[in-house]
Amino acid sequence: KAGVTQTPRYLIKTRGQQVTLSCSPISGHRSVSWYQQTPGQGLQFLFEYFSETQRNKGNFPGRFSGRQFSNSRSEMNVSTLELGDSALYLCASSFSGAQIDPLHFGNGTRLTVT
Amino acid sequence: AQSVAQPEDQVNVAEGNPLTVKCTYSVSGNPYLFWYVQYPNRGLQFLLKYITGDNLVKGSYGFEAEFNKSQTSFHLKKPSALVSDSALYFCAVRDGVNSGYALNFGKGTSLLVTP
Repeated sequence: KAGVTQTPRYLIKTRGQQVTLSCSPISGHRSVSWYQQTPGQGLQFLFEYFSETQRNKGNFPGRFSGRQFSNSRSEMNVSTLELGDSALYLCASSFSGAQIDPLHFGNGTRLTVT
Repeated sequence: AQSVAQPEDQVNVAEGNPLTVKCTYSVSGNPYLFWYVQYPNRGLQFLLKYITGDNLVKGSYGFEAEFNKSQTSFHLKKPSALVSDSALYFCAVRDGVNSGYALNFGKGTSLLVTP
């Protein structure tokens, strides 16, 4: 079974631009979460979707948004990029979206903002 | 509020020796605890979880973890370390009663196993 796939693996953008990251969950998984990983702040929760509905949102500004499609694939968008948005963005999926379910992570998208 | 602490930034151990990576947690309700490992330029890989029941949980690659409710700890252990175990390890928690779906991660512990 294929794992969580994130595209692209690397992105370089300029301040003020916007970016869209894509995530394909493990087949059959209905919950998709997004996390930001930086050396200073560690792993921080962005949002979680289940059956196309956002169930939880982390403490990030409105420039960060996401969505989930009917096939469970998900995208996240960051508008008006800032230097501090440079990070590894990780997508994770789980089968049932229950709290006891572990998350299965993709290899991430490395975003660099210059 | 829920939180996780990993008190050691780095743990060094010789190959063949036992290893322990420490984790303590704070939640209001029942803790759901997880351990993940991250290799360079990769995502996180799930190792094991504690939900309820037996305090000793066995997971992937020979790792195990011991849940201690009185000490609010969930330390990761392995009887005999391998050089290939060198990686970044994360402990994570969900509050089974009060939180949403987000996993709250510790800062991570870098494990270095030397030959």
